[in-house]
Amino acid sequence: GPKVLQIPSHQIIDMGQMVTLNCDPVSNHLYFYWYKQILGQQMEFLVNFYNGKVMEKSKLFKDQFSVERPDGSYFTLKIQPTALEDSAVYFCASSLGWGGGAETLYFGSGTRLTVL
Amino acid sequence: GEQVEQLPSILRVQEGSSASINCSYEDSASNYFPWYKQEPGENPKLIIDIRSNMERKQIQELIVLLDKKAKRFSLHITDTQPGDSAMYFCAAASNTNKVVFGTGTRLQVLP
Repeated sequence: GPKVLQIPSHQIIDMGQMVTLNCDPVSNHLYFYWYKQILGQQMEFLVNFYNGKVMEKSKLFKDQFSVERPDGSYFTLKIQPTALEDSAVYFCASSLGWGGGAETLYFGSGTRLTVL
Repeated sequence: GEQVEQLPSILRVQEGSSASINCSYEDSASNYFPWYKQEPGENPKLIIDIRSNMERKQIQELIVLLDKKAKRFSLHITDTQPGDSAMYFCAAASNTNKVVFGTGTRLQVLP
């Protein structure tokens, strides 16, 4: 089936540093998402992105967070500066469209971020 | 108005019996309700979904029911097997394509 690739699978950084999480979405998908999951808990919506713009973001999407997809390449989540509470698994997802069966989200395998 | 409540948080059933997970949502604009299964250390994978123009959908042993008036939907797994043990998440979305997940149910199928 369609695959969303996330690299790296695990990243360890010191508090206050910047981190960029990379996502290679399914090639013909148009909508992109980031979710945050603390171990064993809920998948929490951060942001969705379409046509080069953020469509919606949640309260978890702090001012230190930003997303972009320059020139149709990786869809990235940047956190600058990082805080201890940012430690979690971050899942990227993409969907073909919205409506008519196109809204199925395909998730990447996640990036485990550890902030020390 | 975007919360999705999911119960129970932990569900233990005997192999061969059925398991039911219930969700409720707040946003009356929600029109798409997917269910995801997540194995430990893995990403969530879609197992079944239902749209607001339907009340019931079945794929093999999976049945989803939707009650729009009550803003409730549910997943029923008939004849559970050990391979069904996992975390299950319901979700709700509207035309803004913001998919909000429930709090999750850890299903354990006991042999």
